[in-house]
Amino acid sequence: NAGVTQTPKFRILKIGQSMTLQCTQDMNHNYMYWYRQDPGMGLKLIYYSVGAGITDKGEVPNGYNVSRSTTEDFPLRLELAAPSQTSVYFCASSEKGASNYGYTFGSGTRLTVV
Amino acid sequence: AQSVTQLDSQVPVFEEAPVELRCNYSSSVSVYLFWYVQYPNQGLQLLLKYLSGSTLVKGINGFEAEFNKSQTSFHLRKPSVHISDTAEYFCAVRGTGNQFYFGTGTSLTVIP
Repeated sequence: NAGVTQTPKFRILKIGQSMTLQCTQDMNHNYMYWYRQDPGMGLKLIYYSVGAGITDKGEVPNGYNVSRSTTEDFPLRLELAAPSQTSVYFCASSEKGASNYGYTFGSGTRLTVV
Repeated sequence: AQSVTQLDSQVPVFEEAPVELRCNYSSSVSVYLFWYVQYPNQGLQLLLKYLSGSTLVKGINGFEAEFNKSQTSFHLRKPSVHISDTAEYFCAVRGTGNQFYFGTGTSLTVIP
């Protein structure tokens, strides 16, 4: 059982470049989330989805886009990378609302924008 | 508004000694509280959660936490730590909808 899989694990981008962070889960979870983790800071919610075709903004959505065409996949898109987006990105999923079940996290993508 | 404050950014403790990691929260909705652990270069793993009922919650790896409504706290404790407990620990509170708010983390270092 792979759980939540994120790719790539590491990436260096130049300012203005774009990229997609991939996230796949094999637990048939309806809820999926993207967080960023900055040094010395807690996790901040970027976007989340409660099911295929449904997405919503979190606390820090600016500069990002998401889509949810299938239950399994929840990619995060950076269109014009900026140094402020240097961070560690975590994808997570939960069976229903995370209130009762908590999250299952992926191992993260470490992104550096130079 | 919901928020979580972890009062200690770093906690060094000797092996086999007890440890307490502090967490205070504010929430305007029903209180659901979680502790997560993050080992180096890994994602977060759920340690324990409080949803309702008994205020003393037991989790994995010998950790426990006590929900104190009057002090708005949810401190994490372990009576005897091991080297393998060295990690970052995050407290989280449920916000509105499906959003969770995480604290800034406490780095626990167990000294041999």
